[in-house]
Amino acid sequence: KQEVTQIPAALSVPEGENLVLNCSFTDSAIYNLQWFRQDPGKGLTSLLLIQSSQREQTSGRLNASLDKSSGRSTLYIAASQPGDSATYLCAVRGGGSEKLVFGKGTKLTVNP
Amino acid sequence: GAVVSQHPSRVICKSGTSVKIECRSLDFQATTMFWYRQFPKQSLMLMATSNEGSKATYEQGVEKDKFLINHASLTLSTLTVTSAHPEDSSFYICSARDRNSYEQYFGPGTRLTVT
Repeated sequence: KQEVTQIPAALSVPEGENLVLNCSFTDSAIYNLQWFRQDPGKGLTSLLLIQSSQREQTSGRLNASLDKSSGRSTLYIAASQPGDSATYLCAVRGGGSEKLVFGKGTKLTVNP
Repeated sequence: GAVVSQHPSRVICKSGTSVKIECRSLDFQATTMFWYRQFPKQSLMLMATSNEGSKATYEQGVEKDKFLINHASLTLSTLTVTSAHPEDSSFYICSARDRNSYEQYFGPGTRLTVT
């Protein structure tokens, strides 16, 4: 059974700092991995999707990497801003399945 | 980008009543929709997979007679929480898979409170 773990559970940083969020998964036989953002009481916004054959994806100040063999992914946020404050969720989709398995998320607070 | 809507966004109901939540894909067709539940500070947990024109597939531990799912068209799936109890209070989120691109898009969620 796939399990997804995100560390840390919460992170508070000053504005402008670069930061890394971590995600690990137990079964390396994944189809893809996706990072989402969730604001309080809201739904999910997809940030980056990495296919199993890819090593990384970039969008603006965000960069996500994937090391499938070790079961790890990182989300790098450059020059953080208060507007980046949210909970970041990592989810993996197993091979041959449409199901997404989510981690519990990392709650990020960027202080002005 | 693709948009998924949910209605209502918030609902408060009394214990023992039933509540229906709608999930719509607004600008694409979805042969498959997913229903998730999220408790405070917890991960999203998949409840069931809804396929257009066929019965939903429920995850282990989810009561199919309590959480009725109907996926009658390529743009609409509904989740009915029957005989709701306070422990059913949660945040319910749907996602829809684009039949062409296979990407999943998430709705904004529905906050259910059972009193």
